[in-house]
Amino acid sequence: QSVLTQPPSVSGAPGQRVTISCTGSSSNIGAGYDVHWYQQLPGTAPKLLIYSNSNRPSGVPDRFSGSKSGTSASLAITGLQAEDEADYYCQSYDSSLSWVFGGGTKLAVL
Amino acid sequence: EVQLVESGGGLVKPGGSLRLSCAASGFTFSYYSMNWVRQAPGKGLEWVSSISSSSSSIYYADSMKGRFTISRDNAKNSLYLQMNSLRAEDTAVYYCARKLSNWNDPFDYWGQGTLVTVSS
Repeated sequence: QSVLTQPPSVSGAPGQRVTISCTGSSSNIGAGYDVHWYQQLPGTAPKLLIYSNSNRPSGVPDRFSGSKSGTSASLAITGLQAEDEADYYCQSYDSSLSWVFGGGTKLAVL
Repeated sequence: EVQLVESGGGLVKPGGSLRLSCAASGFTFSYYSMNWVRQAPGKGLEWVSSISSSSSSIYYADSMKGRFTISRDNAKNSLYLQMNSLRAEDTAVYYCARKLSNWNDPFDYWGQGTLVTVSS
């Protein structure tokens, strides 16, 4: 049972927009800690996709965006492409002195 | 180019020990907090342990406390994880990941991981 809750899977057709939610609590996201998102392509290590709620590292397309409100955060992907098929994880800090992840969401591009 | 290269994984019997290493290059290692994150087969990411840049602050996930020990050698640009009393549920790919010092900072670079299999 992950501290942050994500839907197990989402899907969309090429060109469409999908969103992935990440729900936490008052001890992590709701406490004001930032949310970060990682993309894990099949068979590879996770890669930082969005940091500090809504910022993209250099090289990440602007098709990816993030937002945060209250105890939740969201990752949006517009103009879906086949190469976006991957697992996506949210992550934050928890007041229990630990770093926490969501359970991950598998994105299928139909 | 930032590089993190893990090594030391392998097959170990329940109750056994293993020491993982992570060799860092392409950045000033002593400026960064370093971390271990693991991923059981087919499962999600789980934070394991964190060590501050000077080793003055060390944190563990509850299920690892008392069994795992994180350490670093800034002169050798290396991170370590000593794992004792290993259990089947510790089977996972172990990644080392870099992070700046603030609680809020992300894990911005990851190694390729090393597989630890605990089985008799």
